[in-house]
Amino acid sequence: GAVVSQHPSWVICKSGTSVKIECRSLDFQATTMFWYRQFPKQSLMLMATSNEGSKATYEQGVEKDKFLINHASLTLSTLTVTSAHPEDSSFYICSAWDRVADTQYFGPGTRLTVL
Amino acid sequence: AQTVTQSQPEMSVQEAETVTLSCTYDTSESDYYLFWYKQPPSRQMILVIRQEAYKQQNATENRFSVNFQKAAKSFSLKISDSQLGDAAMYFCAYRTSLNSGGSNYKLTFGKGTLLTVNP
Repeated sequence: GAVVSQHPSWVICKSGTSVKIECRSLDFQATTMFWYRQFPKQSLMLMATSNEGSKATYEQGVEKDKFLINHASLTLSTLTVTSAHPEDSSFYICSAWDRVADTQYFGPGTRLTVL
Repeated sequence: AQTVTQSQPEMSVQEAETVTLSCTYDTSESDYYLFWYKQPPSRQMILVIRQEAYKQQNATENRFSVNFQKAAKSFSLKISDSQLGDAAMYFCAYRTSLNSGGSNYKLTFGKGTLLTVNP
């Protein structure tokens, strides 16, 4: 299957700082990418849909000023957690939609710890 | 809005045996996709199998097969000859079909079933 990468795989930051997570589709173009958050032993919670060249669509209850999403190219979407706080600590997963295969491929995830 | 329900938080199976994971969903759409994803301890989401609602034939992928009952809105996953590497969290997911004319490709996930495989 197609490959989606995420960077970094884990990050530790201080409270109040911002953290950027990158999601790349390595062998296909993705006009649409998705960002999820997952708490331990729970399901994936969709945060937002990232569309190349336009504004992201956020799910209800997700602060768009807190979680900035940029999808500047057909292979890259970024999620920036601004002014991070300990409650933002979580596992963040991205996925990219391959239009040709009509399949959503997932990245390996990023573990964020805010001290 | 669509919902996906996995009523079994945890399941266990003996190695080489067969196990069935349950999933039900609710939708008013007639054309859609259903998926089973596996999330092992590495937490990488892996697509196990997909089913297109307009296809009556149940999808199979090697040891994995589904029992798709459209009228009952049921989509169970059967794992045959279970292996230790099958131990993982399994998520059932729903997605609208492109043929429905929608532009929303997002997945709706169930809460997951944690499968343990005993040697």
